[in-house]
Amino acid sequence: NAGVTQTPKFRILKIGQSMTLQCTQDMNHNYMYWYRQDPGMGLKLIYYSVGAGITDKGEVPNGYNVSRSTTEDFPLRLELAAPSQTSVYFCASTYLRELGQGKAPLHFGNGTRLTVT
Amino acid sequence: QKEVEQDPGPLSVPEGAIVSLNCTYSNSAFQYFMWYRQYSRKGPELLMYTYSSGNKEDGRFTAQVDKSSKYISLFIRDSQPSDSATYLCAMSVVGGSEKLVFGKGTKLTVNP
Repeated sequence: NAGVTQTPKFRILKIGQSMTLQCTQDMNHNYMYWYRQDPGMGLKLIYYSVGAGITDKGEVPNGYNVSRSTTEDFPLRLELAAPSQTSVYFCASTYLRELGQGKAPLHFGNGTRLTVT
Repeated sequence: QKEVEQDPGPLSVPEGAIVSLNCTYSNSAFQYFMWYRQYSRKGPELLMYTYSSGNKEDGRFTAQVDKSSKYISLFIRDSQPSDSATYLCAMSVVGGSEKLVFGKGTKLTVNP
């Protein structure tokens, strides 16, 4: 299994450009998430999805959009890139265990490092 | 007050030292408490998790949760250079779409 795969690994954007960060998982997980990680700031949730066709905002959704047309894919779209969106973006997935069986871990990709200049 | 507070360090210790990493939180609804380890230029990986209060031990690692004080800890015994990483605490409520709230992470370096 590849787990969670993110592409591209690195990208430099000019202010105002747009791009899509790709995320795909092969574990048949229902839950998927996008986080951003700024130096010394931990992980902040951008958007999440509990299944195909269902998405919801996290803590910092402004400037981003997502879609979830399949279980496997959860792309993140930046429409008008701004310097404040310079960050490392992580996609993650997990599933809901049966009641009483504890909590399944989040599986993370290795991130996309984005610079907006 | 932030939901989860974690001292970002950095923390530098000699090989073999006992390391203590801590987080405090404000949301009394948190029931799941996790520690993730993140190596440089990699995604975080789950190290340990605890449900509600108590201790959990796994090899050289011990996780403690004190819900009365809203305080969690991770202890690393006989620390090794391979333990050098950023350690992030994370918490969630029961249900809640499995969303996690993360601390800022503490960068640990274990010197040989």
